[in-house]
Amino acid sequence: SAVISQKPSRDICQRGTSLTIQCQVDSQVTMMFWYRQQPGQSLTLIATANQGSEATYESGFVIDKFPISRPNLTFSTLTVSNMSPEDSSIYLCSVEETGDYQETQYFGPGTRLLVL
Amino acid sequence: DQQVKQNSPSLSVQEGRISILNCDYTNSMFDYFLWYKKYPAEGPTFLISISSIKDKNEDGRFTVFLNKSAKHLSLHIVPSQPGDSAVYFCAASYLAGKLIFGQGTTLQVKP
Repeated sequence: SAVISQKPSRDICQRGTSLTIQCQVDSQVTMMFWYRQQPGQSLTLIATANQGSEATYESGFVIDKFPISRPNLTFSTLTVSNMSPEDSSIYLCSVEETGDYQETQYFGPGTRLLVL
Repeated sequence: DQQVKQNSPSLSVQEGRISILNCDYTNSMFDYFLWYKKYPAEGPTFLISISSIKDKNEDGRFTVFLNKSAKHLSLHIVPSQPGDSAVYFCAASYLAGKLIFGQGTTLQVKP
C-alpha cells in the first residue's frame, strides 16, 4: 500500500489561529480524504479531495472552516481555521487504492491537535 | 443516527484464545465492510475487508464474517497475541470513498 506521511505530527495552538496540515503520498492517487477523530470518538469524514476539483464536504463541515487544497496527485493540505478548543482532535488523511474487491482506504499517521 | 455500531467498548482475552469483535449496521445499502486496527499515536491500519456478496473472508489469523440478514459482521482473531492489543474499528461504505466508522472496541490480549 501507499506510504502516507503527515506534517506536523502534533501541535498545540491558541484559539483564533489557523493550522495547515500537510499530507504527502509516495505514489499518485486519485482520491484523498480527510478525517477527524475527536477525543473518545470514532473517525468522521470531513471531505474528499480530488485533484483538479473543489473538495466535497460532508454534512457539518464547511469550506470556510476547513479549506482544502489538492494541487497534485501526491499532496493535499487541510487548514483548520479560526480554531477553538472544540477543534482539538486527531486529523487523518487517507488515500484510496484498489483492493481485492474494491477500493480500500489507507491512512496516514495523523496530526494531533490541541487548541488552548 | 449512528449507522455503524460497535456495542462493546472493550474486550479482554487470554493469549492463544479467540477474540471476537462485533459490529452492527443499519443501512442495507452498505456493500463493503472493513476492519482497521489502531495503536495509540498511529493512524488506523487496514486489516481485512469483505464484500456484501460474500459471507466470509479469511487472511491468516483474521477472519471476517458477514450476516446480511442480521446486518452484523464480526472479526475473529485466532490465536490472539499480545501484539493484537489495540482499538479495532469496523467501517462500512456504499458510496465511493465514503466510509462510516463504528465507535471502536479496545482489545486487550493478556499474556
